[in-house]
Amino acid sequence: DQQVKQNSPSLSVQEGRISILNCDYTNSMFDYFLWYKKYPAEGPTFLISISSIKDKNEDGRFTVFLNKSAKHLSLHIVPSQPGDSAVYFCAASARGGYQKVTFGTGTKLQVIP
Amino acid sequence: ETGVTQSPTHLIKTRGQQVTLRCSSQSGHNTVSWYQQALGQGPQFIFQYYREEENGRGNFPPRFSGLQFPNYSSELNVNALELDDSALYLCASSLGLAGGGQFFGPGTRLTVL
Repeated sequence: DQQVKQNSPSLSVQEGRISILNCDYTNSMFDYFLWYKKYPAEGPTFLISISSIKDKNEDGRFTVFLNKSAKHLSLHIVPSQPGDSAVYFCAASARGGYQKVTFGTGTKLQVIP
Repeated sequence: ETGVTQSPTHLIKTRGQQVTLRCSSQSGHNTVSWYQQALGQGPQFIFQYYREEENGRGNFPPRFSGLQFPNYSSELNVNALELDDSALYLCASSLGLAGGGQFFGPGTRLTVL
């Protein structure tokens, strides 16, 4: 049972444009959501998170939006840069992040120069 | 400040053998989580250790076991290896139980023949 779903395995975007990565979840106990970025031969790197008490969190070029009623979150990258090319994992946790983190299957983003 | 390190980088074993993977947590971190990432999938939570005690376990059989040492480094042991155990094994450390503050190591690539 995949509790965190990333339905787009890959995404290609032109440099300078917006990248939008989507994620859906099924477990209503999740109240803390995270995005990780992973380059080949490296472990995932934490990017940005959002608590269920918010609907938006911004950090530089990265913004995460949370729609609790739809059980959907998205990561916006503006403007996209070639260095953003990586696999992005959506993840979720319960109890404010104090329980195990459940990951999605990842979306491979390619930013074309 | 050193990051999370894992050893070995790669490992090849045969079915039925046993394997031990090692992880050194980031300086000051007292929590270690282990994940299995199969090809094309997101990381799956195996278990977490907090101050040398197991604190939460995912859907993995008992032949997956672990240890955390007083210096907070950790080992993952897998007995009776099966072909499906071939995966990237990731270790992540954090301070306290905060899933959102995890820092991942580069992983150990295990191949079971």
